[in-house]
Amino acid sequence: DQQVKQNSPSLSVQEGRISILNCDYTNSMFDYFLWYKKYPAEGPTFLISISSIKDKNEDGRFTVFLNKSAKHLSLHIVPSQPGDSAVYFCAAGQSGNTPLVFGKGTRLSVIA
Amino acid sequence: EPEVTQTPSHQVTQMGQEVILRCVPISNHLYFYWYRQILGQKVEFLVSFYNNEISEKSEIFDDQFSVERPDGSNFTLKIRSTKLEDSAMYFCASSAGSFRGNSPLHFGNGTRLTVT
Repeated sequence: DQQVKQNSPSLSVQEGRISILNCDYTNSMFDYFLWYKKYPAEGPTFLISISSIKDKNEDGRFTVFLNKSAKHLSLHIVPSQPGDSAVYFCAAGQSGNTPLVFGKGTRLSVIA
Repeated sequence: EPEVTQTPSHQVTQMGQEVILRCVPISNHLYFYWYRQILGQKVEFLVSFYNNEISEKSEIFDDQFSVERPDGSNFTLKIRSTKLEDSAMYFCASSAGSFRGNSPLHFGNGTRLTVT
C-alpha cells in the first residue's frame, strides 16, 4: 500500500536549469509534507516542508508546491547545482505523533 | 549543527544472532524513531518512542524487535534473532516536537545490517 508515490526513480537536469521532483499521495488525512535529501552513505537530511494550509513554501533555491485537490506536491530547485545530485524523498504525515510515510525516492543528477 | 550519531556504521551478523544498533539522538530532542530501508526500497517506519515508552510501531516491529533508552543519551534497537530479511539500512531519527511539520525528523547516517 503505497500512500506516498514518487513515480520517477531518476531525473537528469543540466546545471543552472530547474529541477522538478514530483510526489503523489493517497491519504487525504495527511496534513504536512516534507522533502528530504539523501547522499550515499548518509542519512536523509531535511530540506523543506509545507503544511496543508499552504500551497507554496519557499526557501532559497527550493520551493515546494502543494495541490491538495490533486493530492500532489512538487519540489522545484532553481537553479540546479551539481551538489544537488542526491536522492530526494517525499514524506507525508498527520499532525501529532504519527509516523512519517516516505516515498521510494527520486535520484536527481545535475550535470555540469 | 547538532546531529544524530549511529554506531556501528556496518554490522554483519549470522542468522539467529542478536544485534543491538545504537543511536545518540540530538540532546534536546524528545521524540525518537527507528526507520529502515531495504536496498532499493522505500524508507519504512519501525517505531517511535517518547517519554520512555513506545508511542507507535509498525507491523514490521514484531516481538523480535525492542527499543530502549538505557540512559539519558542512548537509544537502542535490538533484534533478538535476526533473519535474512532483516538486512537493511537502519536509520535512527529524533525530533524536538511531535508536530513534525514544524519539528522535522533529523536522521543519523544509518547502520547497514547484513544478516548472513
